[in-house]
Amino acid sequence: DTGVSQNPRHKITKRGQNVTFRCDPISEHNRLYWYRQTLGQGPEFLTYFQNEAQLEKSRLLSDRFSAERPKGSFSTLEIQRTEQGDSAMYLCASTSTVAGAVPSYEQYFGPGTRLTVT
Amino acid sequence: EDQVTQSPEALRLQEGESSSLNCSYTVSGLRGLFWYRQDPGKGPEFLFTLYSAGEEKEKERLKATLTKKESFLHITAPKPEDSATYLCAVQSLRAGNNRKLIWGLGTSLAVNP
Repeated sequence: DTGVSQNPRHKITKRGQNVTFRCDPISEHNRLYWYRQTLGQGPEFLTYFQNEAQLEKSRLLSDRFSAERPKGSFSTLEIQRTEQGDSAMYLCASTSTVAGAVPSYEQYFGPGTRLTVT
Repeated sequence: EDQVTQSPEALRLQEGESSSLNCSYTVSGLRGLFWYRQDPGKGPEFLFTLYSAGEEKEKERLKATLTKKESFLHITAPKPEDSATYLCAVQSLRAGNNRKLIWGLGTSLAVNP
């Protein structure tokens, strides 16, 4: 399978603990996005990377959230001192911005990591 | 302000009963409109991209169309396995290089056998 993968699929943690999620994008994709989704809502943008550079971070994202993409391949999203309000589905998506004969702008999503903070 | 509104919020169909889902948008220059399907507990699955008014795309029982103000996702003779939430998103030219998506809240479709 050459799609976007995310690990773990589910994470249950106690309030105040740190958690880290991993995303492996489609291999030829240079751009990677992180989203958060709660029930009945569309995905909410968190941050994105072009290769290893983090180009934008949502103003809604607190300092407890940090993301990395050290070699321009996989990415990690860490949440420090988790709160119950952090409970959500965390989604990763990837796309390619490399110029080609036919431009495409769609993003391909992974299965998500469901975080529950107790 | 760029905005996407989907209707209805929920739709229940009998197997074989065709219908349409609506996605209305206001955006400062449309780069693209995207349809996704999302099953419970899973990430959105890409279905279609539409770039300009008049464009149509088809895949099995699904057909997406686009006008300057809205898009429709037509479902012909649906089957129970078409049950899912269908999400619409747009990308604005004003978003520039970040290509951020503006999402609707989705239509939850249930197809009864």
